[in-house]
Amino acid sequence: LAKTTQPISMDSYEGQEVNITCSHNNIATNDYITWYQQFPSQGPRFIIQGYKTKVTNEVASLFIPADRKSSTLSLPRVSLSDTAVYYCLVGDWDTGGFKTIFGAGTRLFVKA
Amino acid sequence: SAVISQKPSRDICQRGTSLTIQCQVDSQVTMMFWYRQQPGQSLTLIATANQGSEATYESGFVIDKFPISRPNLTFSTLTVSNMSPEDSSIYLCSVAQGGHTIYFGEGSWLTVV
Repeated sequence: LAKTTQPISMDSYEGQEVNITCSHNNIATNDYITWYQQFPSQGPRFIIQGYKTKVTNEVASLFIPADRKSSTLSLPRVSLSDTAVYYCLVGDWDTGGFKTIFGAGTRLFVKA
Repeated sequence: SAVISQKPSRDICQRGTSLTIQCQVDSQVTMMFWYRQQPGQSLTLIATANQGSEATYESGFVIDKFPISRPNLTFSTLTVSNMSPEDSSIYLCSVAQGGHTIYFGEGSWLTVV
């Protein structure tokens, strides 16, 4: 299983763009990269998923370089409500089932 | 994505007792999983709940402590047995959907006193 490494915490101000990078040097060919947002006392919420290059949806963009050893979650114009923990998850199906591993997460603090 | 409901959402339990957490999904799913998240920590996979057969446990988790049932494709239960304060955690049900994505319920927050 590919281990993920993220910054422990990040600070930002309202209206800024925030980029959170995740390293996953041992990512396997079949692995997908998924990012989740988690507020206190709630379950993780799916943000975005990608395999390679760039993926964009209504809330975020995900940039994955060609070697796929890292990925960057980009949150445009953050607000106070984006203060949360963000998890990078790498995994997919293998012969043993759906295998994933969560990293420690990045605590994002958005200030006014 | 599937809607995942967990019960209870929160409970305070006496040490030595057991509590069963229910997970209901609004659509049939092949794979269901149970995670634990201890205070201030990341998520750890407890087991994969297999429909019609015994759950597959991850290293460090055993069936006697965390028995799991999966009677059909929309429902699963996790029991936390003989609880101690170290079991105080959020327990999360999740499902695999869309081929490569897992989605989570809101979690069940257990405090053992």
